[in-house]
Amino acid sequence: AQSVTQLDSQVPVFEEAPVELRCNYSSSVSVYLFWYVQYPNQGLQLLLKYLSGSTLVESINGFEAEFNKSQTSFHLRKPSVHISDTAEYFCAVSEWYGGSQGNLIFGKGTKLSVKP
Amino acid sequence: SQTIHQWPATLVQPVGSPLSLECTVEGTSNPNLYWYRQAAGRGLQLLFYSVGIGQISSEVPQNLSASRPQDWQFILSSKKLLLSDSGFYLCAWSLGAGEQYFGPGTRLTVT
Repeated sequence: AQSVTQLDSQVPVFEEAPVELRCNYSSSVSVYLFWYVQYPNQGLQLLLKYLSGSTLVESINGFEAEFNKSQTSFHLRKPSVHISDTAEYFCAVSEWYGGSQGNLIFGKGTKLSVKP
Repeated sequence: SQTIHQWPATLVQPVGSPLSLECTVEGTSNPNLYWYRQAAGRGLQLLFYSVGIGQISSEVPQNLSASRPQDWQFILSSKKLLLSDSGFYLCAWSLGAGEQYFGPGTRLTVT
């Protein structure tokens, strides 16, 4: 991928409200897509991934993301957020070219702040 | 199951001093290993990656270096730290170039 753009650096939202974190990438080849979550002073944790098949992927804690090839997007959504979802979220893309997979390219992150 | 360790967890070092950060991975063989740095407001910056013992690729020219003396060990070093080296350093592993799994990180403050 030439680049990964996370359009919002910060997203404040009230508890139990829906949220969408946007991710767009630029690439002319096949891609794998990932969302990672980082809690303060911790490493990144894989939240969900799209490799192939259904374009809608889900995580175990209620997040989902949809791969839209025509719009080169992989937005992350949750219908009702909790205080514990407060964290920074990173979108990442890995390209397939020449029969091999490239390293992950990360967006700059979106800080989700859930308020009571 | 696989586990990744990093130490130390936090480090405060004066400018001009040397640096050694260590990362180890257990429970897997021949992983790809990565060093990233997070600086405030700059996202994740890939510094080095390694596909095997002694094989290091550098992504960003700087005063840091990396070594992989064992299949399960990845070390980040510097001979003389700069103020700009401050940040949160993350090690990660993967099998092939797929999803990566991150360690807990090292917070480095250069004073």
